[in-house]
Amino acid sequence: KQEVTQIPAALSVPEGENLVLNCSFTDSAIYNLQWFRQDPGKGLTSLLLIQSSQREQTSGRLNASLDKSSGRSTLYIAASQPGDSATYLCAVALLMEYGNKLVFGAGTILRVKS
Amino acid sequence: NAGVTQTPKFRILKIGQSMTLQCTQDMNHNYMYWYRQDPGMGLKLIYYSVGAGITDKGEVPNGYNVSRSTTEDFPLRLELAAPSQTSVYFCASSYSQPVAQHFGDGTRLSIL
Repeated sequence: KQEVTQIPAALSVPEGENLVLNCSFTDSAIYNLQWFRQDPGKGLTSLLLIQSSQREQTSGRLNASLDKSSGRSTLYIAASQPGDSATYLCAVALLMEYGNKLVFGAGTILRVKS
Repeated sequence: NAGVTQTPKFRILKIGQSMTLQCTQDMNHNYMYWYRQDPGMGLKLIYYSVGAGITDKGEVPNGYNVSRSTTEDFPLRLELAAPSQTSVYFCASSYSQPVAQHFGDGTRLSIL
C-alpha cells in the first residue's frame, strides 16, 4: 500500500529564507508527483507536477525534484515571502483501471514571518 | 472561469440524516473525483468517475454514493449520516489522466 509522508509537519521561517519541504513515498511505481498549496478554508492549488520520467520542475521561486528510486521529492522555495504561508501537500499519482488515484501526504504547514 | 464549484460550503447534520453534496465543473473534464480531508491528514479518495455513467470506488467509499448523469455534475450522497463522516469534502476534476486535477473550495460538514 502506497504511503506518503511529509516532513516537517510545520515550519516557521523569517521572510527571505530559502527553505526545503520533504516528501517520501513507499512504492516507487508512481505515474507522477504533484505539489499542492492549500490556503485556510480553500481548496488545493496545483503548484508543480513532475512526471515519473522527469527529475525536476521549476515555476518561478519554486523548484521540485523527484528521485523515484529512493522514493523522495523535495520542494524548494527561494526567498520566502509572507504570502507563501499555507499548507503544502505532496501527492503521488497511481494508475487505476480508469483514471488515476492521488495518494496524499498530511502536509507541511508553512509560516513565513515578516 | 468558475472551474469546480461545490455547494454548500458549510453544513451541520444530525446523525441519521441524509444529504447531497453538489459538485459541478465547467471545463468539460471527463474525470471527476470526491475526496475527504480529516484534520491533520491528507486527502483520501471516496469515489471517482471517468465520464457520464461510469463511476468507481476509491479508498473510503463506505457510507457514500455517487452518480454521474452529465459531464458537468458529480453529486455525492450521504444516506445515513454518522459522526465519522464529519470532514471537509473536496471535489476535483481533470481532462484526462494523469494530469493535474483542479479542486473546488470544499464543503465543511459536521455531523452531531
